[in-house]
Amino acid sequence: KAGVTQTPRYLIKTRGQQVTLSCSPISGHRSVSWYQQTPGQGLQFLFEYFSETQRNKGNFPGRFSGRQFSNSRSEMNVSTLELGDSALYLCASSLAVYNEQFFGPGTRLTVL
Amino acid sequence: AQTVTQSQPEMSVQEAETVTLSCTYDTSENNYYLFWYKQPPSRQMILVIRQEAYKQQNATENRFSVNFQKAAKSFSLKISDSQLGDTAMYFCAFMKQGNTPLVFGKGTRLSVIA
Repeated sequence: KAGVTQTPRYLIKTRGQQVTLSCSPISGHRSVSWYQQTPGQGLQFLFEYFSETQRNKGNFPGRFSGRQFSNSRSEMNVSTLELGDSALYLCASSLAVYNEQFFGPGTRLTVL
Repeated sequence: AQTVTQSQPEMSVQEAETVTLSCTYDTSENNYYLFWYKQPPSRQMILVIRQEAYKQQNATENRFSVNFQKAAKSFSLKISDSQLGDTAMYFCAFMKQGNTPLVFGKGTRLSVIA
């Protein structure tokens, strides 16, 4: 069974631009969570979707948004990029909420 | 809010030796889950082991075992017979029952030396 996939793997943007990251969960998994990983703040929870509904949201500004499609694939969008948004963005899927999460390889976003 | 503390930013161990990574957490919950994740230099986060708080028996997965002390809110990971492939960042994580988001510690960078 294929694992969690994330595209693109690397992305370079400039301040003020917006970006969309994509995540395809393991087949059959309906829950998708997003995390931001930075050297300073570590791993921080962004949001979680289950059956196209956002169930939880972390403490991030409204510039960070996401959605989930009927096939469980998820996207996250960051608008008006700031230098501090440079990070590794990890997506994780689980069979259902409260189940263990399986992570994708991440998208490395660099904001110049 | 839950917090997870990993007090050892970096550790090293000789190949074939045993190493223990520390993790403490703070919560007022009684039912929860604890995890150790491994993130090798390739970046893919891999689940190493999980522990349900209601289980008194410590979890074991091959060379990996935990020492779960609920009263002390301690959850350490022991790696036996360390291998070069164990070199990675190790994250301790907490998940409250009924609430998905994982709360991670800052991580411990483990180097296995030949």
